[in-house]
Amino acid sequence: GEEVAQTPKHLVRGEGQKAKLYCAPIKGHSYVFWYQQVLKNEFKFLISFQNENVFDETGMPKERFSAKCLPNSPCSLEIQATKLEDSAVYFCASSQPDRGPTTDTQYFGPGTRLTVL
Amino acid sequence: AQSVTQLDSHVSVSEGTPVLLRCNYSSSYSPSLFWYVQHPNKGLQLLLKYTSAATLVKGINGFEAEFKKSETSFHLTKPSAHMSDAAEYFCVVTINSGGYQKVTFGTGTKLQVIP
Repeated sequence: GEEVAQTPKHLVRGEGQKAKLYCAPIKGHSYVFWYQQVLKNEFKFLISFQNENVFDETGMPKERFSAKCLPNSPCSLEIQATKLEDSAVYFCASSQPDRGPTTDTQYFGPGTRLTVL
Repeated sequence: AQSVTQLDSHVSVSEGTPVLLRCNYSSSYSPSLFWYVQHPNKGLQLLLKYTSAATLVKGINGFEAEFKKSETSFHLTKPSAHMSDAAEYFCVVTINSGGYQKVTFGTGTKLQVIP
């Protein structure tokens, strides 16, 4: 598609429950990024993929967060045993970098609002 | 390494007056620079981007930004603010080194437009 799609729009979980978020990048885009936006509006980078390969996971709290981008499936971000501080909006973005030395635009999805009670 | 500094967390202007949102960056490589806007409870919309072409970049909704390498700045301007411009604005720096894409967000500037 021509837009990044994210599902669900809203997700409510009790503390300790699992949460799984999905992202369908724009068709033809090979890079996918996940970001976490907490209440103070800062965007925290979580992880990026080039196709199905993890490219950069320096932002991931690995003990509870995991992510995948498998062929012919939406990408996913999963949080095991959610905590109150995981409440945030999670944005997915995709891009298709130029072949040259410059990067291309990241196109953002509408986000998934996760509320942990 | 790279970083982005948005110098003002809040900017308040009167409708019809100019807007200036400041952004400074540092990067070890030649960066690409972007401004995104986020309206309340919405996703991010691209306003404009600089990718080593013209230093003065024109974007949507009358916004523009000038890349000044000597000042390491990429400030966002608009001649006349409209009520619909009230939103959060993010300056973003990206580098592409050997196919590796690294993205850094500024902390955002909230623009308030007073009628």
